[in-house]
Amino acid sequence: QKEVEQNSGPLSVPEGAIASLNCTYSDRGSQSFFWYRQYSGKSPELIMFIYSNGDKEDGRFTAQLNKASQYVSLLIRDSQPSDSATYLCAVSSNTGKLIFGQGTTLQVKP
Amino acid sequence: DTGVSQNPRHKITKRGQNVTFRCDPISEHNRLYWYRQTLGQGPEFLTYFQNEAQLEKSRLLSDRFSAERPKGSFSTLEIQRTEQGDSAMYLCASRLVGAYNEQFFGPGTRLTVL
Repeated sequence: QKEVEQNSGPLSVPEGAIASLNCTYSDRGSQSFFWYRQYSGKSPELIMFIYSNGDKEDGRFTAQLNKASQYVSLLIRDSQPSDSATYLCAVSSNTGKLIFGQGTTLQVKP
Repeated sequence: DTGVSQNPRHKITKRGQNVTFRCDPISEHNRLYWYRQTLGQGPEFLTYFQNEAQLEKSRLLSDRFSAERPKGSFSTLEIQRTEQGDSAMYLCASRLVGAYNEQFFGPGTRLTVL
């Protein structure tokens, strides 16, 4: 079992819809969780982080964390074609390194 | 632009040659991380520094790889006797200890080994 798992997709949604991206992790002791966006050929860009169970909202983005289920999700409201990218879920280890999933490719169709 | 810079942005080399990459982190960040990313995969951790001390190395970091951060500022990653399997994007990230573990990535160095 991989430490951080994501469905590679592609996830295709129409413009204006809600995109839901999911991630599970294996280390129950993990404390902090991150979502990065990566455009093709570019480096990862931090868009959200969450530490506590529940929801955290930032503009069109909402991160959700359920530590009991070892599940993290990212919701993107009013999806735009410019949101088309690969979304990487990352979990911080106790030494501070990030452990990434393989990423989910999101396609927002006009 | 996150404030983390990496040079060169692209490097093409022949198998067996040595290559060196440089990372300049955000100036007040005391932790610096190196990751490697291959096509279709998420970044994989290689090593990290707190100031000038190298605190952890992945088993991915074979004897051909060495990293330094001599004055606790910029860092270099050297690969000796490159192999085609070393072709990847090499990413550097930095963070401030004491903050939450948000890491900010540089633009990466894309290595192609022919």
